[in-house]
Amino acid sequence: SQQGEEDPQALSIQEGENATMNCSYKTSINNLQWYRQNSGRGLVHLILIRSNEREKHSGRLRVTLDTSKKSSSLLITASRAADTASYFCATAYSSASKIIFGSGTRLSIRP
Amino acid sequence: GAVVSQHPSRVICKSGTSVKIECRSLDFQATTMFWYRQFPKKSLMLMATSNEGSKATYEQGVEKDKFLINHASLTLSTLTVTSAHPEDSSFYICSARETSVNQETQYFGPGTRLLVL
Repeated sequence: SQQGEEDPQALSIQEGENATMNCSYKTSINNLQWYRQNSGRGLVHLILIRSNEREKHSGRLRVTLDTSKKSSSLLITASRAADTASYFCATAYSSASKIIFGSGTRLSIRP
Repeated sequence: GAVVSQHPSRVICKSGTSVKIECRSLDFQATTMFWYRQFPKKSLMLMATSNEGSKATYEQGVEKDKFLINHASLTLSTLTVTSAHPEDSSFYICSARETSVNQETQYFGPGTRLLVL
C-alpha cells in the first residue's frame, strides 16, 4: 500500500521558474527520500532527509520536512527542460526498513 | 556509485508462459533486494522484499506462487512471473540495499518492461 500522497499530481511551468511539490504521509517515519524518474526509466535518488532534520539542500534542490504535519516539500529552483520527469517521495519507518512510495508528481518544464 | 542491473530490459511473451527477471548488484553485496511493480503513469508498488538465503517477504495482496522470488547469492535476486497473463504486463523495478553500509540507501535498477500477449 502507498504511504504518501503527493500534490499536485501534475505540474507544468515555464523554464526558469521554481517548482514545488508536496508529499504527505500517514505514520511516523525515520526518513523521507525524494526520487526522480524519467519516462520509462529507472529511479534516481535525489535527496534523503531524516526525521530529526527540517531542511536539506542539494544544488538546485531544497527539501523540507515537517513531522508535526507529516509532510515534506521538494523545491526545484531555476527549472530546466531536463527537469521534466516524475518525482516521488518515499518514506521509511526505520533506517533499514522497506520504503513506500507516494503517488508522484509529473513535472513538465515548458521551454 | 553503486550500480544495479536488470535483465532483460524488455520482454514480450505469450500468455501462459513464465518469465524470469534478474536483478544484479554489480559492485556491491546486497543482503536485501526489493521488487516493485509500476503501471503506466502510476507510482511504484512494493511487491516483496528479497532476503539472501531465506524466503522472500511478500506484501499484502501479492501472490507468492505467482511471483516467485529467489535470492540465492549476495548479488543476484530473480523474479519469475509464472503462467503470465496480459494483466501481468507492467514495468518491474528492483532495488538493492548494500550490506553493512548505510542501510538507508537503496539503489534502483533500470527496470524491465513485460508485455504479455
